[in-house]
Amino acid sequence: EDKVVQSPLSLVVHEGDTVTLNCSYEVTNFRSLLWYKQEKKAPTFLFMLTSSGIEKKSGRLSSILDKKELFSILNITATQTGDSAVYLCAVENTGGFKTIFGAGTRLFVKA
Amino acid sequence: DSGVTQTPKHLITATGQRVTLRCSPRSGDLSVYWYQQSLDQGLQFLIQYYNGEERAKGNILERFSAQQFPDLHSELNLSSLELGDSALYFCASSDSMNSYNEQFFGPGTRLTVL
Repeated sequence: EDKVVQSPLSLVVHEGDTVTLNCSYEVTNFRSLLWYKQEKKAPTFLFMLTSSGIEKKSGRLSSILDKKELFSILNITATQTGDSAVYLCAVENTGGFKTIFGAGTRLFVKA
Repeated sequence: DSGVTQTPKHLITATGQRVTLRCSPRSGDLSVYWYQQSLDQGLQFLIQYYNGEERAKGNILERFSAQQFPDLHSELNLSSLELGDSALYFCASSDSMNSYNEQFFGPGTRLTVL
């Protein structure tokens, strides 16, 4: 059965800290891994990863995929209160182009 | 604002009833996806349409159905509603057939079944 597991489930940090969010997956016919940020409303796209070892970066956020060990990490440096959100990891497979989401990591950044 | 619109914003109904959720994708996007997000299940992929045709099916119940119209808007029909159907229903769109590109999510419709 395809599944995506994220850890930790939640964490609380102080502004300026660096955090690492983990996503491990088991999926047949892997196509891509995606990271989303969900605040109060709809998820917003962060990254799509398809190749191992290539870091994607956007400002203070970065992510990398390891297709051999079947995991990805999302790093946030110099966290700000605006980073407080649920971060969702999702994996797409080629069999029916389904998207499987993890339960998310709830990040709370304290001022 | 993602450019994806969903109506209604909130919907409260009783068990056994039927509701229709509507989604208008971003201009130019041919793919529409429907997701259900509940507290205990997280975000679940339901179904995808591409240019009017069903493209992929996820964890969608038989009581649920969807369609995409020639103007590319989509409707998700939920019938014989149960308490457990209470959730936030998201629609997303992309310009790709294969969901290879970024999906843009609408604001969601919150359904409450009493």
